[in-house]
Amino acid sequence: NAGVMQNPRHLVRRRGQEARLRCSPMKGHSHVYWYRQLPEEGLKFMVYLQKENIIDESGMPKERFSAEFPKEGPSILRIQQVVRGDSAAYFCASSHSGGDGYTFGSGTRLTVV
Amino acid sequence: AQKVTQAQTEISVVEKEDVTLDCVYETRDTTYYLFWYKQPPSGELVFLIRRNSFDEQNEISGRYSWNFQKSTSSFNFTITASQVVDSAVYFCALSEDGSGNTGKLIFGQGTTLQVKP
Repeated sequence: NAGVMQNPRHLVRRRGQEARLRCSPMKGHSHVYWYRQLPEEGLKFMVYLQKENIIDESGMPKERFSAEFPKEGPSILRIQQVVRGDSAAYFCASSHSGGDGYTFGSGTRLTVV
Repeated sequence: AQKVTQAQTEISVVEKEDVTLDCVYETRDTTYYLFWYKQPPSGELVFLIRRNSFDEQNEISGRYSWNFQKSTSSFNFTITASQVVDSAVYFCALSEDGSGNTGKLIFGQGTTLQVKP
């Protein structure tokens, strides 16, 4: 039973480019969460999604950031026109709708140059 | 507002010493969950424990133990006979909506533990 899979592990983008981060939840998990960890800081909640629905996006920056969790395929966190301040580790977590615990992926380290 | 405070930014100990990592939380919820995660130098997040707010029994798992005290809103983590492999950043977290499974987590700033040989 594979865990939460995130790819890529490392992503380098130039300022102004787009970054797409992927998260495949654990099998049977229909809830996905995205967190951001800025350098030397703790994790901050960004968005919570269920299949085809955004449940809570209170932690998402108002501009340039979007997230989706389609019926088929992984959840995608998309950052348009990246800036240096977007450089961080982005973690995805998944959970079952009513049972299991909260499992994190290994994260994607985004570096904006 | 919900908040998690880990006042110790960095702790350095010598191998085999015991070490306690402090965690103080604030919440208005009567039902909530508390978590500890370990982040080793490789960067992934390793789940250590989840504790329900109704269960104040202390928990022990090998060299790890947790002391949950609602009266002081604390959920401290002790490593007994520390080892070099324990060197990592440790995060305490609180689930905001009480479900523990589907709620977002509020993380503390983390405590960096360095265990020297």
